[in-house]
Amino acid sequence: DIVMTQGALPNPVPSGESASITCQSSKSLLHSNGKTYLNWYLQRPGQSPQLLIYWMSTRASGVSDRFSGSGSGTDFTLKISSVEAEDVGVYYCQQFLEYPRTFGGGTKLELK
Amino acid sequence: EVQLVESGGGLVQPGRSLKLSCAASGFTFSNYYMAWVRQAPKKGLEWVATISTSGSRTYYPDSVKGRFTISRDNAKSSLYLQMNSLKSEDTATYYCARQDVGGFAYWGQGTLVTVSS
Repeated sequence: DIVMTQGALPNPVPSGESASITCQSSKSLLHSNGKTYLNWYLQRPGQSPQLLIYWMSTRASGVSDRFSGSGSGTDFTLKISSVEAEDVGVYYCQQFLEYPRTFGGGTKLELK
Repeated sequence: EVQLVESGGGLVQPGRSLKLSCAASGFTFSNYYMAWVRQAPKKGLEWVATISTSGSRTYYPDSVKGRFTISRDNAKSSLYLQMNSLKSEDTATYYCARQDVGGFAYWGQGTLVTVSS
């Protein structure tokens, strides 16, 4: 199984500052079709998870352009520019390359 | 508007069975793979099962393989999860999700399953 490992944030993050969340996979998520199958989700307190980014850097429908994804085959970053109150929650990375689909352990973002 | 509404959760004794349902609306259900994802209390997300559009292909992690069965009824736009031989570690909120090519694009609100004597 592909193991997903997420880094922690130096919480709390001051409002208006940027925040970067890291994620590492135990196997390259780069497919032969050129797409990298890495997703990011946000779970706000008390809510269901929401897809933010797929294929490593493509924003899902309706997601703010303050969210951006980048990386290589095994090392990934979700950047949130100008953090706002609505960004508070737990962020999960997930690999979508193969089964079993696996998630990282989550990274909590708190606002100062 | 895409809607996924889970039902069927509750308190069940270890070793017993429970069947969850998910009613889908707002999209052509038969065109999409569907999935179940769970979250134990205060824990992270764990993918539980995926089913293909026709139901001919199913996928499970080792933690539930042989105990859980995902199924669907395209005529009713409904997804199911039959859970047998339940264990305390299966206690979680179970989410139904639409599996798009890029990820789990839509999620239900979840249904809580508690396995306890």
